Amino acid sequence: DAKTTQPTSMDCAEGRAANLPCNHSTISGNEYVYWYRQIHSQGPQYIIHGLKNNETNEMASLIITEDRKSSTLILPHATLRDTAVYYCIVSEIHGSGNTGKLIFGQGTTLQVKP
Amino acid sequence: EAGVAQSPRYKIIEKRQSVAFWCNPISGHATLYWYQQILGQGPKLLIQFQNNGVVDDSQLPKDRFSAERLKGVDSTLKIQPAKLEDSAVYLCASSFLSSYNSPLHFGNGTRLTVT
Repeated sequence: DAKTTQPTSMDCAEGRAANLPCNHSTISGNEYVYWYRQIHSQGPQYIIHGLKNNETNEMASLIITEDRKSSTLILPHATLRDTAVYYCIVSEIHGSGNTGKLIFGQGTTLQVKP
Repeated sequence: EAGVAQSPRYKIIEKRQSVAFWCNPISGHATLYWYQQILGQGPKLLIQFQNNGVVDDSQLPKDRFSAERLKGVDSTLKIQPAKLEDSAVYLCASSFLSSYNSPLHFGNGTRLTVT
């Protein structure tokens, strides 16, 4: 079963920041937080991942709380092309005996509106 | 780099027929995954390969589903015989085994409709 809880759906105005929350209260010390998104009729696309420090790349920022029990994915300037299902996943890094498999939940459907 | 290639893109079959899906992962990626995604749900892992060996097939319905990855590159997933509840998108993904920053790369999937 998925180890995360996300809202079913969210709306965001185009050009504004989209903040997608995720709860992972049972996360263990060696588990990372991953975010993927899935645009209609495409396969999931990697966005970002982190362990305990905040992370930023060209797509998004990931803010992880100090107790690591929740996180927020931030899309700084949402566009219509960001409309997708966003999945928050916790998993161990592949290697050292871990398979690195990702267990997807239901995700959050983000609708960016003009 | 070229992405994960899957074929066919769509397939319609009748129940009790057989079907096969093909996946060509990104060059150099040792790990390959097959996921099943039923409409409205997140992808569910069916099987994971590392090179040509199976790492995890605990969620694969082995009475009807089979998968192989000969020579540690391409992979095929087969369903025989198909049931109505097998209607789904079948996604293939690959990753570079030992890289910390290597995410899973997904193909666009094969949409299977069983009638």
